[in-house]
Amino acid sequence: QKEVEQNSGPLSVPEGAIASLNCTYSDRGSQSFFWYRQYSGKSPELIMSIYSNGDKEDGRFTAQLNKASQYVSLLIRDSQPSDSATYLCAVDMEYGNKLVFGAGTILRVKS
Amino acid sequence: DAGVTQSPTHLIKTRGQHVTLRCSPISGHKSVSWYQQVLGQGPQFIFQYYEKEERGRGNFPDRFSARQFPNYSSELNVNALLLGDSALYLCASSLVWDNQETQYFGPGTRLLVL
Repeated sequence: QKEVEQNSGPLSVPEGAIASLNCTYSDRGSQSFFWYRQYSGKSPELIMSIYSNGDKEDGRFTAQLNKASQYVSLLIRDSQPSDSATYLCAVDMEYGNKLVFGAGTILRVKS
Repeated sequence: DAGVTQSPTHLIKTRGQHVTLRCSPISGHKSVSWYQQVLGQGPQFIFQYYEKEERGRGNFPDRFSARQFPNYSSELNVNALLLGDSALYLCASSLVWDNQETQYFGPGTRLLVL
């Protein structure tokens, strides 16, 4: 069964620190990877997409992809209390046909 | 630009009833996907439609069905509701650009089955 795995957390970091969120996936043929942020009671909001090995930076967020290790990560620099949310890793397992989500990692940024 | 819209926002039904959830995609997006999210889990794929054709189906029973209309809006229907169908139902629309497809979620419909 094709799966996406994340540490459920909670991951607690102090304000201003770097938060590191990790995700592994089972389908070696996957090509598209996404990080979504979900606040309690709200719907997922896209933060980053990444398609090629290496790093992709957008503001305080950096996504890292290693297809050989089947590993995706999200770094949040200068973490703010407003970053406290559940972060969902999603992998496109059948090009454009469906996203498979991990269960999410709860991040808590303490001021 | 308006994002993905869904209606209703909340719904309470009883076991055995039928429900219809509606979704309007972002303007210009031709693909709509439906997901079910139960508390404490990530969204689980139900269906994807593109240009009114079913493009993908997740591991859900036949009680779940969907369709897409000529204006690209979509309906998700669930028959013979069970308590376990209580969840947040998410619609996502997507646009293929440069061979890459990104899904954007609507606010969801929260369904409670009593």
